[in-house]
Amino acid sequence: GQQLNQSPQSMFIQEGEDVSMNCTSSSIFNTWLWYKQDPGEGPVLLIALYKAGELTSNGRLTAQFGITRKDSFLNISASIPSDVGIYFCAGDNYGQNFVFGPGTRLSVLP
Amino acid sequence: KAGVTQTPRYLIKTRGQQVTLSCSPISGHRSVSWYQQTPGQGLQFLFEYFSETQRNKGNFPGRFSGRQFSNSRSEMNVSTLELGDSALYLCASSRAGSETQYFGPGTRLLVL
Repeated sequence: GQQLNQSPQSMFIQEGEDVSMNCTSSSIFNTWLWYKQDPGEGPVLLIALYKAGELTSNGRLTAQFGITRKDSFLNISASIPSDVGIYFCAGDNYGQNFVFGPGTRLSVLP
Repeated sequence: KAGVTQTPRYLIKTRGQQVTLSCSPISGHRSVSWYQQTPGQGLQFLFEYFSETQRNKGNFPGRFSGRQFSNSRSEMNVSTLELGDSALYLCASSRAGSETQYFGPGTRLLVL
């Protein structure tokens, strides 16, 4: 079936640094979603993207829907300790096939 | 507006038992999906319900089943529990016609 790849798998950054992570697929999706999950909790929706080329911001977070519809990236600016967690991308095709990536684990060093 | 709620939050069972987990979606959301999350396999789709009907199903054995009630609340059941069923079970709801899913906090199941 369809699979998503996320890179990097994990990253350690210094507080205040900017972060970039991406998600790729061999198949196209019509919707890309980015979630953050804290330990022991469910994923929380950060940004939803619905159109190829769309660039959307949510505070310090910015995400883009790739023009090929096969990728998306998420940027976090000026990272803070509470940004620690696992970031998942998810792709969907009209509700028929909701697929999650394996996640990028972010650690922020003070 | 209240978010997705799941009960119980934690559960310990022994092999061979069965378990029922409950999910209440966001008010007005009619679609409920269930996922299993384990460190090794990540988030895996179990099934989706819409208007009391199973609309999509993942690749899990028949021991995993679910249902949805007329008020959109959903339950999932796992029979004859195995050690490998230990996981965080997540429920997500979405509005009709929307792909955006909102997750609950999950039920952490430990099978001994």
